[in-house]
Amino acid sequence: AQSVSQHNHHVILSEAASLELGCNYSYGGTVNLFWYVQYPGQHLQLLLKYFSGDPLVKGIKGFEAEFIKSKFSFNLRKPSVQWSDTAEYFCAVSNNDMRFGAGTRLTVKP
Amino acid sequence: NAGVTQTPKFRVLKTGQSMTLLCAQDMNHEYMYWYRQDPGMGLRLIHYSVGEGTTAKGEVPDGYNVSRLKKQNFLLGLESAAPSQTSVYFCASSYSHWRDPRHTFGSGTRLTVV
Repeated sequence: AQSVSQHNHHVILSEAASLELGCNYSYGGTVNLFWYVQYPGQHLQLLLKYFSGDPLVKGIKGFEAEFIKSKFSFNLRKPSVQWSDTAEYFCAVSNNDMRFGAGTRLTVKP
Repeated sequence: NAGVTQTPKFRVLKTGQSMTLLCAQDMNHEYMYWYRQDPGMGLRLIHYSVGEGTTAKGEVPDGYNVSRLKKQNFLLGLESAAPSQTSVYFCASSYSHWRDPRHTFGSGTRLTVV
């Protein structure tokens, strides 16, 4: 079955630390890839997307993600996190439908 | 600048009761979706619609029904609520599925079934 895996359930970092959240998927063929962010008490918002072209995509708030087709991965990165990045992050893959990973909760300590 | 609006925001039901969640979008999107969000499981697709008058089952459709009588509205119904349906429900819409499947989400409905 098609699936999306996020390896880290809860990540705790101090401000200014670097972030990398893993995402792997099991779809074959052409896919569209997304990262969504859910701040506490809010709905999901699009952070960045990959449709085609340059596999390194930049999103809002200094986030970026790299699509590595051979590894079926779309990892999210940020060089220096801030307290305001505390949120839950969801990787999503669109093929026949949109499938979401289970989410990674990020806590940034001030 | 409304985007996707969900009503109600909170609801408590007794087992066996029925209710309808309303989702409305003002972006003229063709596609609409209902997801449920449960801890540790991310978002799972319940039902979706590819246009007015059409609906299709998603990953976890059992116990739910939907209708899309108007393009801007997508209703999710629970005919006989069960405690397992306690969850946060999100509606979303997108311009298309293949060309631009980016979702715009509503603010969610927190449903508790006791």
